[in-house]
Amino acid sequence: SQQGEEDPQALSIQEGENATMNCSYKTSINNLQWYRQNSGRGLVHLILIRSNEREKHSGRLRVTLDTSKKSSSLLITASRAADTASYFCATGSGTYKYIFGTGTRLKVLA
Amino acid sequence: GAVVSQHPSWVICKSGTSVKIECRSLDFQATTMFWYRQFPKQSLMLMATSNEGSKATYEQGVEKDKFLINHASLTLSTLTVTSAHPEDSSFYICSARDEGPGNTIYFGEGSWLTVV
Repeated sequence: SQQGEEDPQALSIQEGENATMNCSYKTSINNLQWYRQNSGRGLVHLILIRSNEREKHSGRLRVTLDTSKKSSSLLITASRAADTASYFCATGSGTYKYIFGTGTRLKVLA
Repeated sequence: GAVVSQHPSWVICKSGTSVKIECRSLDFQATTMFWYRQFPKQSLMLMATSNEGSKATYEQGVEKDKFLINHASLTLSTLTVTSAHPEDSSFYICSARDEGPGNTIYFGEGSWLTVV
């Protein structure tokens, strides 16, 4: 069964705007990762945040983790048309068996 | 960086036949690999954990006899879809655990299977 639920399921924004995606999960985790997937392609790793971390940055990406609420968010700032893709969170419990969320389909309009 | 290669990228097979998908870790050894399937516009569902030198561990609801997994070497795991049916058409992705200093998971590019 799915571990994570992502919200929203789909998001459409204008280029230059920020995009925020949320991920909620059900059980305790060791770490949480965010991935991007272009249509019909494999996964691109974006960022990993460990359970003892609250926030991480990587370029235009900002990820937060709230283990008390069992939720994480991914913020993409100053979005570009090339950011159009599906975004998934994946939770790991220490066994390297990652369970993926339902995903958010982001569309950035030029 | 580490690379996981899947082959083939695309395959079309007839109903009733079997098809094999390979997952290779190209520059690291992986005692553990994972197989996922993804239906169009849906998320990735974990199918099984592939363990080098031992039997795979399947997730609940995944048919062991239909999805045969073999992990005969430290760099190769194979997924064989036996007696394929159109409903098996899907995107199959593997991941491999690099147990080196980074201790990281790497994903392959995926394999599209179409059963006609």
